[in-house]
Amino acid sequence: DAMVIQNPRYQVTQFGKPVTLSCSQTLNHNVMYWYQQKSSQAPKLLFHYYDKDFNNEADTPDNFQSRRPNTSFCFLDIRSPGLGDAAMYLCATSSDRGQEQYFGPGTRLTVT
Amino acid sequence: GEDVEQSLFLSVREGDSSVINCTYTDSSSTYLYWYKQEPGAGLQLLTYIFSNMDMKQDQRLTVLLNKKDKHLSLRIADTQTGDSAIYFCAERGMRFGAGTRLTVKP
Repeated sequence: DAMVIQNPRYQVTQFGKPVTLSCSQTLNHNVMYWYQQKSSQAPKLLFHYYDKDFNNEADTPDNFQSRRPNTSFCFLDIRSPGLGDAAMYLCATSSDRGQEQYFGPGTRLTVT
Repeated sequence: GEDVEQSLFLSVREGDSSVINCTYTDSSSTYLYWYKQEPGAGLQLLTYIFSNMDMKQDQRLTVLLNKKDKHLSLRIADTQTGDSAIYFCAERGMRFGAGTRLTVKP
């Protein structure tokens, strides 16, 4: 089945220690998104790729970076995680901007 | 303030109808979406409506769109305990409301 996969599902990192979250898709969608979701809050868009074109949201901290080496994979790098970065990180894809999104199960990040 | 607003909680009895409301600000949104999120899971697309439509029905789900008031609603008929989840509306596919937690009591 075509799907969006996120690894790992749970990630524990230490304060200030770089961490990378992974997302892959078999839908062959052009657009891949990263969202941060804190408890009882809306998913907050961090950035998205339209093909290889990177689109950063204005209020996304510089601490968050992303890479998309090919259509299938997209990575979220947090260079120096702080306690405030503990959250669920959701990856999603869509065939085009503004179209319905298909979400992965999320990676829950804990910062100790 | 947020671009998309929803009430945070709704509680209904099993078998009743649930109505979840949403207001949005971006009049250029061509599509408006409803997603469902169960505990510990990602979001699942439930349904969507194109901005030139007033209503869309999909089995137990009915979406109503009042474009003049920028108001969107999701009605779930014959609500079941399995419908208990958080429901998000989204505009332009990328901006989400804070979510409405639906609790269905037996």
